[in-house]
Amino acid sequence: QVQLVESGGGVVQPGGSLRLSCAASGFIFSNYVMHWVRKVPGKGLEWVAFMRYDGSDRYYADSVKGRFTISRDNSKNTLYLQMNSLRPEDTAVYYCAKDPAMKGSGGAWLDPWGQGTLVIVSS
Amino acid sequence: QSVLTQPPSASGTPGQRVTISCSGGSSNIGSNNVYWYQQLPGTAPKLLIYKNTQRPSGVPDRFSGSKSGTSASLAISGLRSEDEADYYCAAWDDSLSGPMFGGGTYLTVL
Repeated sequence: QVQLVESGGGVVQPGGSLRLSCAASGFIFSNYVMHWVRKVPGKGLEWVAFMRYDGSDRYYADSVKGRFTISRDNSKNTLYLQMNSLRPEDTAVYYCAKDPAMKGSGGAWLDPWGQGTLVIVSS
Repeated sequence: QSVLTQPPSASGTPGQRVTISCSGGSSNIGSNNVYWYQQLPGTAPKLLIYKNTQRPSGVPDRFSGSKSGTSASLAISGLRSEDEADYYCAAWDDSLSGPMFGGGTYLTVL
Protein backbone atom coordinates (compact mmCIF):
# COMPACT_ATOMS: atom_id res chain seq x y z
CA GLN A 1 0.00 0.00 0.00
CA VAL A 2 1.03 3.60 -0.47
CA GLN A 3 3.16 4.83 2.40
CA LEU A 4 4.87 8.14 3.13
CA VAL A 5 7.30 8.45 6.04
CA GLU A 6 8.73 11.81 7.03
CA SER A 7 11.92 12.31 9.02
CA GLY A 8 14.42 15.02 9.88
CA GLY A 9 12.42 17.17 12.27
CA GLY A 10 13.84 18.48 15.50
CA VAL A 11 14.67 21.57 17.52
CA VAL A 12 16.67 24.31 15.83
CA GLN A 13 17.57 27.86 16.75
CA PRO A 14 16.18 30.83 14.83
CA GLY A 15 18.24 31.39 11.70
CA GLY A 16 19.20 27.74 11.55
CA SER A 17 18.58 25.07 8.94
CA LEU A 18 16.98 21.63 8.71
CA ARG A 19 16.38 19.17 5.92
CA LEU A 20 13.23 17.08 5.99
CA SER A 21 12.88 13.84 4.05
CA CYS A 22 9.82 11.92 2.93
CA ALA A 23 10.39 8.29 1.95
CA ALA A 24 7.73 6.98 -0.40
CA SER A 25 6.75 3.39 -1.13
CA GLY A 26 3.93 1.41 -2.70
CA PHE A 27 3.64 3.48 -5.89
CA ILE A 28 5.74 4.71 -8.82
CA PHE A 29 7.09 7.83 -7.13
CA SER A 30 8.40 9.38 -10.35
CA ASN A 31 4.86 9.60 -11.76
CA TYR A 32 3.36 11.86 -9.10
CA VAL A 33 3.38 15.45 -7.92
CA MET A 34 4.33 15.72 -4.24
CA HIS A 35 3.53 18.39 -1.66
CA TRP A 36 4.67 19.62 1.74
CA VAL A 37 1.97 20.95 4.08
CA ARG A 38 2.41 22.13 7.66
CA LYS A 39 0.19 22.37 10.73
CA VAL A 40 1.13 25.17 13.08
CA PRO A 41 0.13 24.46 16.71
CA GLY A 42 -3.25 25.99 17.44
CA LYS A 43 -3.74 27.00 13.81
CA GLY A 44 -4.85 25.36 10.60
CA LEU A 45 -3.16 23.62 7.73
CA GLU A 46 -0.87 25.65 5.47
CA TRP A 47 0.41 24.47 2.12
CA VAL A 48 4.18 24.96 1.89
CA ALA A 49 5.42 23.75 -1.49
CA PHE A 50 4.93 21.26 -4.30
CA MET A 51 7.09 19.78 -7.00
CA ARG A 52 6.09 18.26 -10.33
CA TYR A 53 6.64 14.53 -10.88
CA ASP A 54 9.73 15.05 -13.04
CA GLY A 55 11.17 17.93 -11.04
CA SER A 56 10.48 20.36 -13.87
CA ASP A 57 8.61 22.85 -11.74
CA ARG A 58 8.23 23.79 -8.11
CA TYR A 59 6.01 26.28 -6.31
CA TYR A 60 6.11 27.81 -2.84
CA ALA A 61 3.87 29.64 -0.42
CA ASP A 62 4.87 33.28 -0.02
CA SER A 63 5.68 32.66 3.65
CA VAL A 64 8.58 30.33 2.77
CA LYS A 65 9.67 31.57 -0.66
CA GLY A 66 13.40 32.24 -0.77
CA ARG A 67 14.04 30.28 2.45
CA PHE A 68 12.76 26.77 1.71
CA THR A 69 13.66 24.52 -1.22
CA ILE A 70 11.68 21.46 -2.26
CA SER A 71 13.49 18.75 -4.18
CA ARG A 72 13.14 15.08 -5.02
CA ASP A 73 15.32 12.11 -5.92
CA ASN A 74 13.18 9.82 -8.04
CA SER A 75 15.89 7.15 -7.97
CA LYS A 76 15.54 7.02 -4.17
CA ASN A 77 11.77 7.55 -4.02
CA THR A 78 12.36 10.45 -1.67
CA LEU A 79 11.05 13.99 -1.37
CA TYR A 80 13.00 16.65 0.50
CA LEU A 81 12.43 20.05 2.06
CA GLN A 82 15.52 22.13 2.78
CA MET A 83 14.58 24.79 5.31
CA ASN A 84 16.98 27.72 5.83
CA SER A 85 16.74 30.94 7.83
CA LEU A 86 14.19 29.32 10.09
CA ARG A 87 11.88 31.51 12.16
CA PRO A 88 9.83 30.75 15.29
CA GLU A 89 6.69 30.96 13.15
CA ASP A 90 7.96 27.99 11.12
CA THR A 91 7.34 25.78 14.17
CA ALA A 92 4.89 23.14 12.96
CA VAL A 93 4.30 19.52 12.10
CA TYR A 94 5.38 19.08 8.49
CA TYR A 95 3.55 16.54 6.33
CA CYS A 96 4.35 15.27 2.89
CA ALA A 97 1.39 14.31 0.74
CA LYS A 98 0.84 12.74 -2.66
CA ASP A 99 -1.27 14.12 -5.48
CA PRO A 100 -3.29 11.11 -6.73
CA ALA A 101 -3.49 12.46 -10.30
CA MET A 102 -0.72 10.73 -12.25
CA LYS A 103 1.72 13.09 -13.96
CA GLY A 104 -0.55 16.03 -13.46
CA SER A 105 -1.87 18.30 -10.85
CA GLY A 106 -4.94 17.15 -8.99
CA GLY A 107 -5.21 20.60 -7.51
CA ALA A 108 -5.84 20.42 -3.77
CA TRP A 109 -6.33 16.63 -3.93
CA LEU A 110 -3.81 15.22 -1.46
CA ASP A 111 -3.97 11.53 -0.59
CA PRO A 112 -2.40 10.01 1.35
CA TRP A 113 -0.46 12.04 3.90
CA GLY A 114 2.51 10.94 5.93
CA GLN A 115 2.45 10.88 9.72
CA GLY A 116 4.36 14.17 9.95
CA THR A 117 7.58 15.35 11.53
CA LEU A 118 7.75 18.08 14.16
CA VAL A 119 9.97 21.11 13.68
CA ILE A 120 10.49 23.46 16.62
CA VAL A 121 12.30 26.73 16.05
CA SER A 122 13.32 28.17 19.40
CA SER A 123 16.31 29.61 21.19
CA GLN B 1 -4.79 34.26 6.92
CA SER B 2 -6.91 31.77 4.99
CA VAL B 3 -8.68 32.88 1.84
CA LEU B 4 -11.17 30.04 2.38
CA THR B 5 -13.43 30.93 5.29
CA GLN B 6 -14.82 28.30 7.63
CA PRO B 7 -16.56 28.67 10.99
CA PRO B 8 -14.01 27.91 13.73
CA SER B 9 -16.35 25.54 15.50
CA ALA B 10 -19.46 23.44 15.10
CA SER B 11 -21.30 21.06 17.37
CA GLY B 12 -24.08 18.53 17.47
CA THR B 13 -25.46 15.65 19.46
CA PRO B 14 -25.17 11.99 18.46
CA GLY B 15 -27.47 11.17 15.57
CA GLN B 16 -27.86 14.79 14.47
CA ARG B 17 -26.90 16.28 11.10
CA VAL B 18 -24.38 19.09 11.01
CA THR B 19 -23.14 21.21 8.14
CA ILE B 20 -19.79 22.99 7.82
CA SER B 21 -19.51 25.81 5.31
CA CYS B 22 -16.51 26.97 3.27
CA SER B 23 -16.56 30.29 1.47
CA GLY B 24 -14.01 31.32 -1.14
CA GLY B 25 -13.68 33.32 -4.31
CA SER B 26 -13.41 33.15 -8.06
CA SER B 27 -9.73 32.17 -8.04
CA ASN B 28 -10.25 29.10 -5.89
CA ILE B 29 -13.66 27.49 -5.23
CA GLY B 30 -15.25 29.39 -8.09
CA SER B 31 -12.97 27.76 -10.67
CA ASN B 32 -11.59 24.60 -9.06
CA ASN B 33 -12.69 21.48 -7.25
CA VAL B 34 -13.17 21.43 -3.50
CA TYR B 35 -11.71 18.82 -1.16
CA TRP B 36 -12.43 18.09 2.49
CA TYR B 37 -9.99 16.67 5.02
CA GLN B 38 -10.59 15.26 8.49
CA GLN B 39 -7.87 15.50 11.12
CA LEU B 40 -8.50 13.49 14.27
CA PRO B 41 -6.52 14.61 17.33
CA GLY B 42 -2.88 13.59 17.10
CA THR B 43 -3.15 12.11 13.60
CA ALA B 44 -2.41 13.14 10.03
CA PRO B 45 -5.12 14.68 7.85
CA LYS B 46 -7.23 12.20 5.92
CA LEU B 47 -9.08 12.81 2.66
CA LEU B 48 -12.82 12.83 3.26
CA ILE B 49 -14.36 14.27 0.06
CA TYR B 50 -12.73 14.82 -3.32
CA LYS B 51 -13.88 16.67 -6.44
CA ASN B 52 -16.67 18.44 -4.52
CA THR B 53 -18.92 15.46 -3.87
CA GLN B 54 -16.98 12.19 -4.19
CA ARG B 55 -16.19 9.91 -1.25
CA PRO B 56 -13.02 7.78 -1.24
CA SER B 57 -13.57 4.12 -0.54
CA GLY B 58 -13.89 3.52 3.18
CA VAL B 59 -15.49 6.88 3.97
CA PRO B 60 -19.03 6.33 5.28
CA ASP B 61 -21.93 7.73 3.27
CA ARG B 62 -22.81 9.79 6.35
CA PHE B 63 -20.33 12.29 4.91
CA SER B 64 -21.36 14.31 1.86
CA GLY B 65 -20.05 17.35 0.04
CA SER B 66 -21.61 20.00 -2.14
CA LYS B 67 -20.49 23.08 -4.03
CA SER B 68 -22.30 26.07 -5.45
CA GLY B 69 -20.56 29.04 -7.01
CA THR B 70 -17.80 30.18 -4.66
CA SER B 71 -19.00 28.21 -1.63
CA ALA B 72 -18.96 24.60 -0.53
CA SER B 73 -20.37 22.58 2.34
CA LEU B 74 -19.64 19.37 4.17
CA ALA B 75 -22.58 17.60 5.75
CA ILE B 76 -22.29 14.88 8.37
CA SER B 77 -25.43 12.95 9.21
CA GLY B 78 -25.98 10.44 12.01
CA LEU B 79 -23.30 12.17 14.07
CA ARG B 80 -21.04 9.88 16.11
CA SER B 81 -18.58 10.60 18.91
CA GLU B 82 -15.70 9.47 16.68
CA ASP B 83 -16.51 12.30 14.26
CA GLU B 84 -15.08 14.79 16.76
CA ALA B 85 -12.18 16.29 14.81
CA ASP B 86 -10.91 19.23 12.79
CA TYR B 87 -12.36 19.54 9.29
CA TYR B 88 -10.63 21.50 6.53
CA CYS B 89 -11.84 22.51 3.11
CA ALA B 90 -9.27 23.05 0.35
CA ALA B 91 -9.18 24.20 -3.24
CA TRP B 92 -6.53 25.08 -5.76
CA ASP B 93 -5.98 28.82 -5.87
CA ASP B 94 -5.01 30.18 -9.27
CA SER B 95 -3.38 33.27 -7.75
CA LEU B 96 -1.34 31.25 -5.24
CA SER B 97 -0.50 28.54 -7.81
CA GLY B 98 -1.01 26.07 -5.01
CA PRO B 99 -3.65 24.56 -2.73
CA MET B 100 -5.45 26.87 -0.34
CA PHE B 101 -6.86 25.52 2.92
CA GLY B 102 -9.66 26.88 5.03
CA GLY B 103 -8.92 27.80 8.61
CA GLY B 104 -10.50 24.60 9.86
CA THR B 105 -13.64 23.81 11.85
CA TYR B 106 -13.46 21.86 15.08
CA LEU B 107 -16.51 19.63 15.43
CA THR B 108 -17.62 18.78 18.94
CA VAL B 109 -20.03 15.93 19.52
CA LEU B 110 -21.92 16.83 22.68
